[in-house]
Amino acid sequence: DVKVTQSSRYLVKRTGEKVFLECVQDMDHENMFWYRQDPGLGLRLIYFSYDVKMKEKGDIPEGYSVSREKKERFSLILESASTNQTSMYLCASSSPGLLSYEQYFGPGTRLTVT
Amino acid sequence: AQRVTQPEKLLSVFKGAPVELKCNYSYSGSPELFWYVQYSRQRLQLLLRHISRESIKGFTADLNKGETSFHLKKPFAQEEDSAMYYCALSGHNNAGNMLTFGGGTRLMVKP
Repeated sequence: DVKVTQSSRYLVKRTGEKVFLECVQDMDHENMFWYRQDPGLGLRLIYFSYDVKMKEKGDIPEGYSVSREKKERFSLILESASTNQTSMYLCASSSPGLLSYEQYFGPGTRLTVT
Repeated sequence: AQRVTQPEKLLSVFKGAPVELKCNYSYSGSPELFWYVQYSRQRLQLLLRHISRESIKGFTADLNKGETSFHLKKPFAQEEDSAMYYCALSGHNNAGNMLTFGGGTRLMVKP
């Protein structure tokens, strides 16, 4: 049973703070993803990684960075949080190749920036 | 560029009624399409993919390339079908399949 865990379910931060969102998966998946989920906009890809130390920008990378030092862990960093980054953040992982379409999601972190 | 559109943000039906959640896409290549579902307080999870042509929990979806659509259908809705549904399209990159999601449709099945 695939497990993707995220460090916090709820987080409240102030404008300008540096924020770290952590994601860990236990299925030895190569691919990991960070999305933000907003009503009416669906899921939008922020960054993804297909290997340790590899990262690629998604559709909305501005204001975010990521880190993948170990295969099982993918961190999303908000260098200077802003109120428009208030959102639900979802992490996902998948194996490469033919089954890579099935992404396994974490429970989400609801971030509020005040 | 690839795009997925779900025109209805909310769909409300009575139990036992047929349901159709609409999905339209734009993609220059040969598309692979999926439906993901998120039940209340649960994680987002894969419901079905068009290639397998399977029925999951009574739901089916047919890819219509002429109309660039992939609508999700169920003949008789149940209350437990109430959830958020996302249509997704895969694109190829270094990671293999990357997904582009639509805006989502919330299905409410009333008793």
